Amino acid sequence: NAGVTQTPKFRILKIGQSMTLQCAQDMNHNYMYWYRQDPGMGLKLIYYSVGAGITDKGEVPNGYNVSRSTTEDFPLRLELAAPSQTSVYFCASSHPPGQANSPLHFGNGTRLTVT
Amino acid sequence: AQSVTQLGSHVSVSEGALVLLRCNYSSSVPPYLFWYVQYPNQGLQLLLKYTSAATLVKGINGFEAEFKKSETSFHLTKPSAHMSDAAEYFCAVSDRGTNAGKSTFGDGTTLTVKP
Repeated sequence: NAGVTQTPKFRILKIGQSMTLQCAQDMNHNYMYWYRQDPGMGLKLIYYSVGAGITDKGEVPNGYNVSRSTTEDFPLRLELAAPSQTSVYFCASSHPPGQANSPLHFGNGTRLTVT
Repeated sequence: AQSVTQLGSHVSVSEGALVLLRCNYSSSVPPYLFWYVQYPNQGLQLLLKYTSAATLVKGINGFEAEFKKSETSFHLTKPSAHMSDAAEYFCAVSDRGTNAGKSTFGDGTTLTVKP
C-alpha cells in the first residue's frame, strides 16, 4: 500500500501567490488531517475532516482552506501566501476513535518556503 | 485542556547505552498517549500507544514506555541505543473518545547516538 501520499515535496512561493498541497490516502480512512511543523515545534493542526463533505478547523486555520470531495483526497489551499506560512506541511489519516483510537498515518511532508 | 511537555529538546547517548526520553502530560480525563518517531525528511510514524490495557507498553524497534498516572508521565525507553535510533521523537496525548488527529503534540526531542 502507498499509505498517505503528498505532493509536491518542495515548493517555493512568492508572497501573494496561491497553491494547493495535495494529499491522498489508500487505506479507506474516514479521518484526514493537515498539520504544519515549524522548527523546534510539535505539530499544529490546521484543518481536519471526518468524512467526505465534512471539514472543520483545527488550531491554526487562518490563511488556509480545505475541501473533501472524496474519501481518498484532502487538498489544502493557500490563497495568499505569506512568509509566516513557511513551514513543513504534513497530511495524515486515521480510522475513527472507536477503532481502538487508531493512530495517525502520516505522509512524508511538503516543505514550503514563501519569500 | 490537555498539554504535553517533553523534557530536553536534545538527548545524546552512546551506542549501546540506555535511551530515556521524558514526557509529562496533563489531561482532565484519563488520556490516550502516543510516541511517534520522525526520521529526516519523513513523516511521523507510530512507535507505541497507551490505551489503558497495560501500563507498560511495548513498541517497535525495541522501545517501550510506562504509563505512570501518579506522576502523569509516559517516558520512552530503550535498553541499548542503536545508530539507527537517531531521529526526532514526539509524545502526544488525546482525550478518550476524541480522534487521534486532535492529539496535542509535544515539541519533540532529537536523539543523537554517538558511535
